[in-house]
Amino acid sequence: KAGVTQTPRYLIKTRGQQVTLSCSPISGHRSVSWYQQTPGQGLQFLFEYFSETQRNKGNFPGRFSGRQFSNSRSEMNVSTLELGDSALYLCASSLSGLAKNIQYFGAGTRLSVL
Amino acid sequence: AQSVSQHNHHVILSEAASLELGCNYSYGGTVNLFWYVQYPGQHLQLLLKYFSGDPLVKGIKGFEAEFIKSKFSFNLRKPSVQWSDTAEYFCAVNAINNNDMRFGAGTRLTVKP
Repeated sequence: KAGVTQTPRYLIKTRGQQVTLSCSPISGHRSVSWYQQTPGQGLQFLFEYFSETQRNKGNFPGRFSGRQFSNSRSEMNVSTLELGDSALYLCASSLSGLAKNIQYFGAGTRLSVL
Repeated sequence: AQSVSQHNHHVILSEAASLELGCNYSYGGTVNLFWYVQYPGQHLQLLLKYFSGDPLVKGIKGFEAEFIKSKFSFNLRKPSVQWSDTAEYFCAVNAINNNDMRFGAGTRLTVKP
Protein backbone atom coordinates (compact mmCIF):
# COMPACT_ATOMS: atom_id res chain seq x y z
CA LYS A 1 0.00 0.00 0.00
CA ALA A 2 1.41 3.39 -0.92
CA GLY A 3 2.05 5.76 1.96
CA VAL A 4 1.09 9.37 2.38
CA THR A 5 2.53 11.44 -0.44
CA GLN A 6 3.26 15.12 -0.15
CA THR A 7 4.26 17.37 -3.01
CA PRO A 8 6.39 19.26 -3.55
CA ARG A 9 9.14 18.20 -1.14
CA TYR A 10 10.80 21.61 -1.13
CA LEU A 11 9.61 25.12 -1.87
CA ILE A 12 11.27 28.49 -1.81
CA LYS A 13 9.04 31.55 -1.84
CA THR A 14 9.35 35.21 -1.04
CA ARG A 15 7.38 37.24 1.44
CA GLY A 16 3.94 38.20 0.24
CA GLN A 17 3.56 35.30 -2.13
CA GLN A 18 1.13 32.46 -1.68
CA VAL A 19 1.77 28.73 -1.76
CA THR A 20 -0.27 25.55 -2.19
CA LEU A 21 0.86 22.22 -0.79
CA SER A 22 -0.64 18.89 -1.73
CA CYS A 23 -1.24 15.68 0.18
CA SER A 24 -2.43 12.32 -1.09
CA PRO A 25 -3.53 10.07 1.77
CA ILE A 26 -3.25 6.32 2.04
CA SER A 27 -5.92 4.63 -0.04
CA GLY A 28 -9.08 4.21 2.01
CA HIS A 29 -8.20 6.89 4.53
CA ARG A 30 -10.79 9.64 4.72
CA SER A 31 -9.18 11.92 7.28
CA VAL A 32 -6.30 14.25 6.49
CA SER A 33 -4.61 16.47 9.06
CA TRP A 34 -1.99 19.15 8.55
CA TYR A 35 0.76 20.18 10.94
CA GLN A 36 3.48 22.80 11.01
CA GLN A 37 6.80 21.61 12.41
CA THR A 38 9.47 24.07 13.51
CA PRO A 39 12.54 23.60 15.73
CA GLY A 40 11.62 24.15 19.35
CA GLN A 41 7.86 24.28 18.69
CA GLY A 42 7.42 20.69 17.67
CA LEU A 43 4.31 19.92 15.66
CA GLN A 44 1.44 22.34 15.74
CA PHE A 45 -1.96 21.25 14.53
CA LEU A 46 -3.31 23.27 11.64
CA PHE A 47 -6.56 21.54 10.69
CA GLU A 48 -8.24 18.26 9.96
CA TYR A 49 -10.47 17.35 7.05
CA PHE A 50 -12.86 14.46 6.81
CA SER A 51 -15.12 13.78 3.86
CA GLU A 52 -14.36 17.21 2.38
CA THR A 53 -15.31 19.02 5.59
CA GLN A 54 -13.00 20.81 7.97
CA ARG A 55 -13.69 19.31 11.36
CA ASN A 56 -11.28 21.25 13.49
CA LYS A 57 -8.79 24.04 13.21
CA GLY A 58 -5.76 24.92 15.25
CA ASN A 59 -4.70 28.35 16.39
CA PHE A 60 -3.39 29.73 13.11
CA PRO A 61 -4.35 32.91 11.27
CA GLY A 62 -6.82 32.89 8.40
CA ARG A 63 -3.94 33.03 5.92
CA PHE A 64 -3.73 29.28 6.42
CA SER A 65 -6.52 27.42 4.71
CA GLY A 66 -7.16 24.04 3.25
CA ARG A 67 -9.58 21.86 1.41
CA GLN A 68 -10.23 18.24 0.70
CA PHE A 69 -11.45 16.70 -2.50
CA SER A 70 -13.86 13.85 -3.03
CA ASN A 71 -10.97 11.41 -3.47
CA SER A 72 -9.66 12.48 -0.02
CA ARG A 73 -6.66 14.31 -1.45
CA SER A 74 -6.06 17.53 0.39
CA GLU A 75 -4.43 20.85 -0.31
CA MET A 76 -3.19 23.48 2.08
CA ASN A 77 -2.81 27.10 1.06
CA VAL A 78 -0.88 29.86 2.76
CA SER A 79 -1.43 33.36 1.48
CA THR A 80 0.66 36.48 2.03
CA LEU A 81 3.66 34.50 3.21
CA GLU A 82 5.71 35.75 6.15
CA LEU A 83 9.25 34.83 7.14
CA GLY A 84 7.86 32.98 10.16
CA ASP A 85 5.97 30.60 7.91
CA SER A 86 9.23 28.86 7.07
CA ALA A 87 8.74 25.35 8.38
CA LEU A 88 8.23 21.71 7.55
CA TYR A 89 4.57 21.10 6.78
CA LEU A 90 3.42 17.60 7.51
CA CYS A 91 0.31 15.87 6.36
CA ALA A 92 -1.10 12.82 8.10
CA SER A 93 -3.91 10.53 7.09
CA SER A 94 -6.04 8.16 9.11
CA LEU A 95 -9.06 6.00 8.54
CA SER A 96 -11.64 8.14 10.25
CA GLY A 97 -10.08 10.93 12.26
CA LEU A 98 -7.98 11.85 15.24
CA ALA A 99 -9.80 9.93 17.95
CA LYS A 100 -8.64 6.35 18.41
CA ASN A 101 -6.90 6.33 15.07
CA ILE A 102 -3.29 5.98 14.12
CA GLN A 103 -2.06 8.78 11.93
CA TYR A 104 0.32 8.01 9.09
CA PHE A 105 2.61 10.85 8.20
CA GLY A 106 4.10 11.94 4.92
CA ALA A 107 7.67 13.10 4.44
CA GLY A 108 6.59 16.72 4.53
CA THR A 109 7.05 19.80 2.42
CA ARG A 110 9.85 22.08 3.53
CA LEU A 111 8.89 25.68 2.88
CA SER A 112 11.47 28.42 3.00
CA VAL A 113 10.25 32.00 2.87
CA LEU A 114 12.88 34.56 1.93
CA ALA B 1 -6.14 25.37 26.55
CA GLN B 2 -4.82 21.89 26.09
CA SER B 3 -1.04 21.59 26.09
CA VAL B 4 1.59 18.86 26.08
CA SER B 5 4.96 19.20 27.81
CA GLN B 6 8.01 17.10 27.18
CA HIS B 7 10.55 17.76 29.86
CA ASN B 8 13.76 17.00 28.06
CA HIS B 9 14.82 18.57 24.78
CA HIS B 10 17.89 16.43 24.26
CA VAL B 11 18.88 13.23 26.04
CA ILE B 12 22.22 11.53 25.51
CA LEU B 13 22.68 7.95 26.68
CA SER B 14 25.12 5.13 26.21
CA GLU B 15 23.95 1.84 24.78
CA ALA B 16 22.29 -0.45 27.34
CA ALA B 17 21.29 2.48 29.55
CA SER B 18 17.67 2.75 30.61
CA LEU B 19 15.47 5.44 29.16
CA GLU B 20 12.57 7.42 30.51
CA LEU B 21 11.13 10.38 28.60
CA GLY B 22 8.59 12.49 30.38
CA CYS B 23 5.29 13.69 28.95
CA ASN B 24 2.65 15.68 30.78
CA TYR B 25 -0.53 17.13 29.41
CA SER B 26 -3.06 19.59 30.66
CA TYR B 27 -6.58 18.47 29.93
CA GLY B 28 -9.11 17.15 32.38
CA GLY B 29 -11.31 15.18 30.05
CA THR B 30 -10.93 11.89 28.24
CA VAL B 31 -7.81 11.63 26.14
CA ASN B 32 -6.11 9.32 23.71
CA LEU B 33 -2.34 9.28 24.11
CA PHE B 34 0.40 8.57 21.62
CA TRP B 35 4.13 8.45 21.25
CA TYR B 36 5.48 8.99 17.77
CA VAL B 37 9.09 8.60 16.69
CA GLN B 38 11.05 10.15 13.86
CA TYR B 39 14.24 8.31 12.94
CA PRO B 40 16.84 10.30 10.99
CA GLY B 41 15.67 10.75 7.42
CA GLN B 42 12.39 8.93 7.98
CA HIS B 43 8.74 9.82 8.42
CA LEU B 44 7.09 10.20 11.78
CA GLN B 45 5.68 6.85 12.81
CA LEU B 46 3.67 5.51 15.70
CA LEU B 47 5.60 3.97 18.58
CA LEU B 48 2.67 3.17 20.86
CA LYS B 49 -0.77 4.37 21.88
CA TYR B 50 -3.19 4.34 24.78
CA PHE B 51 -6.92 4.51 24.28
CA SER B 52 -8.33 2.71 27.32
CA GLY B 53 -7.80 -0.31 29.55
CA ASP B 54 -4.44 -1.35 30.96
CA PRO B 55 -2.50 1.87 31.61
CA LEU B 56 0.78 0.16 30.79
CA VAL B 57 1.06 -0.14 27.05
CA LYS B 58 3.71 -1.79 24.99
CA GLY B 59 4.88 -0.62 21.62
CA ILE B 60 7.37 -1.55 18.99
CA LYS B 61 11.07 -2.15 19.58
CA GLY B 62 10.72 -2.81 23.30
CA PHE B 63 9.24 0.56 24.23
CA GLU B 64 6.47 0.91 26.78
CA ALA B 65 4.58 3.78 28.35
CA GLU B 66 2.50 4.18 31.45
CA PHE B 67 -0.57 6.36 31.67
CA ILE B 68 -0.98 7.84 35.14
CA LYS B 69 -4.26 9.70 35.08
CA SER B 70 -3.78 11.39 38.45
CA LYS B 71 -0.50 12.88 37.26
CA PHE B 72 -1.67 13.66 33.70
CA SER B 73 1.43 11.84 32.53
CA PHE B 74 2.33 9.35 29.82
CA ASN B 75 6.03 8.65 30.20
CA LEU B 76 7.93 6.55 27.71
CA ARG B 77 10.38 3.91 28.89
CA LYS B 78 12.82 1.39 27.55
CA PRO B 79 14.99 -0.75 29.83
CA SER B 80 18.01 -0.90 27.53
CA VAL B 81 18.50 1.46 24.60
CA GLN B 82 20.35 0.68 21.41
CA TRP B 83 22.24 2.92 19.03
CA SER B 84 19.37 2.45 16.55
CA ASP B 85 17.00 4.19 18.99
CA THR B 86 18.64 7.50 18.13
CA ALA B 87 15.68 9.58 16.98
CA GLU B 88 13.29 12.33 17.96
CA TYR B 89 10.36 11.30 20.12
CA PHE B 90 7.05 13.13 20.25
CA CYS B 91 4.27 12.73 22.76
CA ALA B 92 0.79 13.54 21.45
CA VAL B 93 -2.60 13.95 23.06
CA ASN B 94 -5.99 13.81 21.40
CA ALA B 95 -8.71 15.35 23.51
CA ILE B 96 -11.89 13.51 22.67
CA ASN B 97 -14.22 16.45 23.13
CA ASN B 98 -12.06 18.93 21.23
CA ASN B 99 -11.19 16.65 18.35
CA ASP B 100 -7.74 18.07 17.94
CA MET B 101 -4.25 16.71 18.37
CA ARG B 102 -1.54 18.37 20.39
CA PHE B 103 2.08 17.34 20.15
CA GLY B 104 4.87 18.07 22.56
CA ALA B 105 7.96 19.89 21.34
CA GLY B 106 9.82 16.61 21.02
CA THR B 107 12.82 15.03 22.74
CA ARG B 108 15.90 14.27 20.74
CA LEU B 109 17.54 11.05 21.91
CA THR B 110 21.16 10.34 21.04
CA VAL B 111 22.48 6.91 21.91
CA LYS B 112 26.25 6.59 21.88
CA PRO B 113 27.59 3.19 20.75
